[in-house]
Amino acid sequence: GQQVMQIPQYQHVQEGEDFTTYCNSSTTLSNIQWYKQRPGGHPVFLIQLVKSGEVKKQKRLTFQFGEAKKNSSLHITATQTTDVGTYFCAGASGAGSYQLTFGKGTKLSVIP
Amino acid sequence: NAGVMQNPRHLVRRRGQEARLRCSPMKGHSHVYWYRQLPEEGLKFMVYLQKENIIDESGMPKERFSAEFPKEGPSILRIQQVVRGDSAAYFCASSPGARGTEAFFGQGTRLTVV
Repeated sequence: GQQVMQIPQYQHVQEGEDFTTYCNSSTTLSNIQWYKQRPGGHPVFLIQLVKSGEVKKQKRLTFQFGEAKKNSSLHITATQTTDVGTYFCAGASGAGSYQLTFGKGTKLSVIP
Repeated sequence: NAGVMQNPRHLVRRRGQEARLRCSPMKGHSHVYWYRQLPEEGLKFMVYLQKENIIDESGMPKERFSAEFPKEGPSILRIQQVVRGDSAAYFCASSPGARGTEAFFGQGTRLTVV
């Protein structure tokens, strides 16, 4: 079945440093979504990427979807303590796909 | 417009008891998904339902687990004869459409089996 791998599993950064998490799928995706889960909270949708090579920005967050639609990345510029949490990518594949396969997430800690 | 409502937020069950987890999707959403999350793990897909229909239950354990989404009322995830390994956070998500559209998550039910 489809597998979605995410690295790194943990990342500790000093406040103000940049952060990147990478997501790789074993199969070509129809779209990829990113979610953020704060400690003790629930996943919250951040963004969806659909097109090959697509790049989207949300303030300090930059999301990319690879040309082959099998990988994606999330980059945060100048991290803040409010960025703390676990970032998940979730891929959907196939024309009739409705199942999101989640990566295991990257847990970000920001040291003030 | 209330978000996805899950209850209870916390549930403690003894081994062998039954656990019933409820999920009311967002208004206007007819697609419901259940996910399980173990500590320090990602979200594992369990089941996808539309009103009165199970569309995909490929992530559900074959025994003891069942899910329904009746015409009226919330979606129910039922776990019979719970075991310690069932302890986890169970999240419900809803979406307005299928095919990998954005999912809105509830706050989850944290099940502890003692």
